[in-house]
Amino acid sequence: DQQVKQNSPSLSVQEGRISILNCDYTNSMFDYFLWYKKYPAEGPTFLISISSIKDKNEDGRFTVFLNKSAKHLSLHIVPSQPGDSAVYFCAASDTGGFKTIFGAGTRLFVKA
Amino acid sequence: DVKVTQSSRYLVKRTGEKVFLECVQDMDHENMFWYRQDPGLGLRLIYFSYDVKMKEKGDIPEGYSVSREKKERFSLILESASTNQTSMYLCASSPDPTGLGYTFGSGTRLTVV
Repeated sequence: DQQVKQNSPSLSVQEGRISILNCDYTNSMFDYFLWYKKYPAEGPTFLISISSIKDKNEDGRFTVFLNKSAKHLSLHIVPSQPGDSAVYFCAASDTGGFKTIFGAGTRLFVKA
Repeated sequence: DVKVTQSSRYLVKRTGEKVFLECVQDMDHENMFWYRQDPGLGLRLIYFSYDVKMKEKGDIPEGYSVSREKKERFSLILESASTNQTSMYLCASSPDPTGLGYTFGSGTRLTVV
């Protein structure tokens, strides 16, 4: 029973265009949502987060949107660059329960 | 530059062996975590620790144990390795008790034959 789902295993985007990575969750107790980026042979690195009391958080080229009623969040990367090619993990945290649950990841390919 | 260091990048062990995976962090973080990463399943929490000598089971603790004798070191132990424990193992630490904003190590790819 996956509480955090990333239904697209991979995504291919042209350089300069927008990349949209999607994530769905089932547990309404989650109160923080995070995105991590992972390059081959490296550990995941924290990218951006959003609290459940917000619906948008922006950091440079990266924006995360949260739709609580749909239990859905998305990561937008604009403009996409070849260096953004990596696996992106969506994660949700139940801060009261000391748990962070990760999705299966989406591999993003940005073509030059 | 803050770091989480996992002692081995690659390990090959035989079925039934006792396996130790070591993780050291230099950030004075209270909280440390062990995850395994498998294709299609993402990162799954095995155990975590929020203080020295404290440990809590994650979602998939069966077949594993942990040790945290010092704040900077968190060890994952496979008591009797099995082929279904072949995986990428990732250690993380965090200053926040909720686990937000992890710093991960580079991972240990364990193959059990």
